[in-house]
Amino acid sequence: AQSVTQPDIHITVSEGASLELRCNYSYGATPYLFWYVQSPGQGLQLLLKYFSGDTLVQGIKGFEAEFKRSQSSFNLRKPSVHWSDAAEYFCAVMNTGFQKLVFGTGTRLLVSP
Amino acid sequence: DAGVIQSPRHEVTEMGQEVTLRCKPISGHNSLFWYRQTMMRGLELLIYFNNNVPIDDSGMPEDRFSAKMPNASFSTLKIQPSEPRDSAVYFCASRGDGRISGNTIYFGEGSWLTVV
Repeated sequence: AQSVTQPDIHITVSEGASLELRCNYSYGATPYLFWYVQSPGQGLQLLLKYFSGDTLVQGIKGFEAEFKRSQSSFNLRKPSVHWSDAAEYFCAVMNTGFQKLVFGTGTRLLVSP
Repeated sequence: DAGVIQSPRHEVTEMGQEVTLRCKPISGHNSLFWYRQTMMRGLELLIYFNNNVPIDDSGMPEDRFSAKMPNASFSTLKIQPSEPRDSAVYFCASRGDGRISGNTIYFGEGSWLTVV
């Protein structure tokens, strides 16, 4: 069965600094990969997704992620963090056969002034 | 376009009461999902419908939970009787035909349930 690991529970980044959130997946075939963001008291918003093709995908709010098959990773990056980026970030994998999302445990991003 | 619409957004109920959560998926989407989010267990898939038919309900915790999808634009998740450990955020999500919107699942704002 597929699974997702987000090794960092919390990350604190200074405003304006770069960000990288780690995600590792376990799945035998080529996965569909997603990053969602959840602001406090809000639902899940899709940031970006990878299905196939270019391994560097661009998303909303200036985020990007790179799929690395050799490392089974799909890390999320942003070159300059804004205070409004403080939220919880979830990586997810979808098995095309079952067509449902399996989520990681999330990484909470704190942005310091 | 309207997204996935859930109601109520917040509910506080007493243990033993029946709780009904409602969801209207995005128009034209043919798959609907109910997820539960808790601190202890994170985001868990409870049940998944395709074309109004339940496909996978292996995540439904016990018989107190039931879900229905009487038509393509409405689904309910019912808890009867409710218990304090059911307190969580319940998300509804939907996905369209892959040819139209790809394999992307869109989430509602969630129903925040507290059972006291």
